[in-house]
Amino acid sequence: QKEVEQNSGPLSVPEGAIASLNCTYSDRGSQSFFWYRQYSGKSPELIMFIYSNGDKEDGRFTAQLNKASQYVSLLIRDSQPSDSATYLCAVNSGGYQKVTFGTGTKLQVIP
Amino acid sequence: GAGVSQTPSNKVTEKGKYVELRCDPISGHTALYWYRQSLGQGPEFLIYFQGTGAADDSGLPNDRFFAVRPEGSVSTLKIQRTERGDSAVYLCASSHSGLAGVRNTGELFFGEGSRLTVL
Repeated sequence: QKEVEQNSGPLSVPEGAIASLNCTYSDRGSQSFFWYRQYSGKSPELIMFIYSNGDKEDGRFTAQLNKASQYVSLLIRDSQPSDSATYLCAVNSGGYQKVTFGTGTKLQVIP
Repeated sequence: GAGVSQTPSNKVTEKGKYVELRCDPISGHTALYWYRQSLGQGPEFLIYFQGTGAADDSGLPNDRFFAVRPEGSVSTLKIQRTERGDSAVYLCASSHSGLAGVRNTGELFFGEGSRLTVL
């Protein structure tokens, strides 16, 4: 079992719709959870981080964490074509700072 | 500059050659990471430095790969006897360690990567 799992996609949504991206992780000791966005040919950049169970909202983005289910998700409201990118889920297992990434989900927002 | 700097941006080499990839982290960041990313995959962890020491090198694929950070700042990833399977983008990232009272969100700041092609 991979440490961090994501559906590779592509996930296609129409402009203005809600995009829902999901991630599961295997290490129950994981403490910090991140969503990075990576445009084609570019490096990853942080979108959201979340530490506690529940929802965390930042503008059009909402991260959701459920530690009991070992599940973290990212919702993007009012999706824009500029949101088209690969979204990487990343997990810090605590103790020290090794950060493990999933394979990423490619999102396509159709105008 | 203010960001993470990686050189070279592109490196083409022949199978069996030796390669060095350099990373200059953000000033003041004590944590430094190397990842490898192949097409269509997420970044694969290679090694993590806290200061000068390698805190975790469990991701290095074999003994052909080695990394150093002698003064706790610039790091060099060294690959001996390169193989075609080593072709990938090598990403370096740095972050606050959370030590000395600096609030650490865990955010990694990535460089633009070094694209290695082994022919």
